[in-house]
Amino acid sequence: GAVVSQHPSWVICKSGTSVKIECRSLDFQATTMFWYRQFPKQSLMLMATSNEGSKATYEQGVEKDKFLINHASLTLSTLTVTSAHPEDSSFYICTAPWGGRLGGELFFGEGSRLTVL
Amino acid sequence: DAKTTQPNSMESNEEEPVHLPCNHSTISGTDYIHWYRQLPSQGPEYVIHGLTSNVNNRMASLAIAEDRKSSTLILHRATLRDAAVYYCILRGSNSGGSNYKLTFGKGTLLTVNP
Repeated sequence: GAVVSQHPSWVICKSGTSVKIECRSLDFQATTMFWYRQFPKQSLMLMATSNEGSKATYEQGVEKDKFLINHASLTLSTLTVTSAHPEDSSFYICTAPWGGRLGGELFFGEGSRLTVL
Repeated sequence: DAKTTQPNSMESNEEEPVHLPCNHSTISGTDYIHWYRQLPSQGPEYVIHGLTSNVNNRMASLAIAEDRKSSTLILHRATLRDAAVYYCILRGSNSGGSNYKLTFGKGTLLTVNP
């Protein structure tokens, strides 16, 4: 079946460095992907919509220069956390709608846990 | 997205049925009712969705009230692996990428006792 895969599943970095997280749709093409962030014991919060071949759309309050999103192909979207700081430590999750079916299910990646020291 | 209301937590015993309620009194006629669950340290997993009629799949059943203002996710025989946060979410059915955005509430934390 359709699967969305994220890499890396976890990463630890020093404050000030940049981290790239990949989200791939396997066996299907995704012109749109979504990135979520989840802090401990909280629900998922939508960060941005990744659009293949065009600029990402960011939710209110999300810094586009800090969270760079690139959707260069129909199967890959990347989220780069630039100049990461401890407050950026979180669980980042991507999702893609499969098949474009109206009202159909979305497939989520396994999530990427970022820890900034 | 229209808002949904779920209990913060529920508890069940293994191999017993579980009924997880969700209220969505402001649902529009074209909104689908989706259920996802999230196991610890994992991304959410699709469970089931429906529009008006009750739905069954290998994971669960979805019972939708006649007025569509509430729904119930039914796990017929809970297992320890079903312990997760269950999210009830409304999604519009119009075409367009923005319609695939999901707004997550706090969900229901299901605890399954052995």
